Amino acid sequence: EAAVTQSPRNKVAVTGGKVTLSCNQTNNHNNMYWYRQDTGHGLRLIHYSYGAGSTEKGDIPDGYKASRPSQENFSLILELATPSQTSVYFCASGREETNERLFFGHGTKLSVL
Amino acid sequence: GEKVEQHESTLSVREGDSAVINCTYTDTASSYFPWYKQEAGKSLHFVIDIRSNVDRKQSQRLIVLLDKKAKRFSLHITATQPEDSAIYFCAARPSSFSKLVFGQGTSLSVVP
Repeated sequence: EAAVTQSPRNKVAVTGGKVTLSCNQTNNHNNMYWYRQDTGHGLRLIHYSYGAGSTEKGDIPDGYKASRPSQENFSLILELATPSQTSVYFCASGREETNERLFFGHGTKLSVL
Repeated sequence: GEKVEQHESTLSVREGDSAVINCTYTDTASSYFPWYKQEAGKSLHFVIDIRSNVDRKQSQRLIVLLDKKAKRFSLHITATQPEDSAIYFCAARPSSFSKLVFGQGTSLSVVP
């Protein structure tokens, strides 16, 4: 079974602090994604990547950076965290070009105080 | 860009009855429509999908219908069971170069 692992599972950060969310996949998928989930908005795409060294802006990239140092790892970085970034963040991997399913991690619950 | 609307934010059905979740999309070029399920406190996982070359697909108790004219697709869960209780997300993709766009989610409760 395809595996996507996120860390940490829970994070409390202070306003203005730097937060890094990590994601590792063992599926050998080229594409990886970061979404945030908020009530009433569903899942919204923040950043995605086509492979090592590649990062692309999704629908709501403001305030976020991404890093893909290897095929397996994809990080989401909040340089200056704000309370509006309090959310649940999901990482996913997949081969979208062939319309195959996405595999999601368990999520990271981030609270910015 | 593509927008996907999920019409029911919550839905409650009696165990054994059918549940229907409806979604609409805006981009006529959309050709791939997956559904994902999120059980309480857990991650999302794929349940079923449909492509624009067919208008119906069934997998056990799950049926997906696609009406391209109305730009509408729906998930039908027959003979519901308590383990069907979850949030269901519909999604659409306009092309193989586009990313999935998700609906807002429907929280389904199956009550005894």
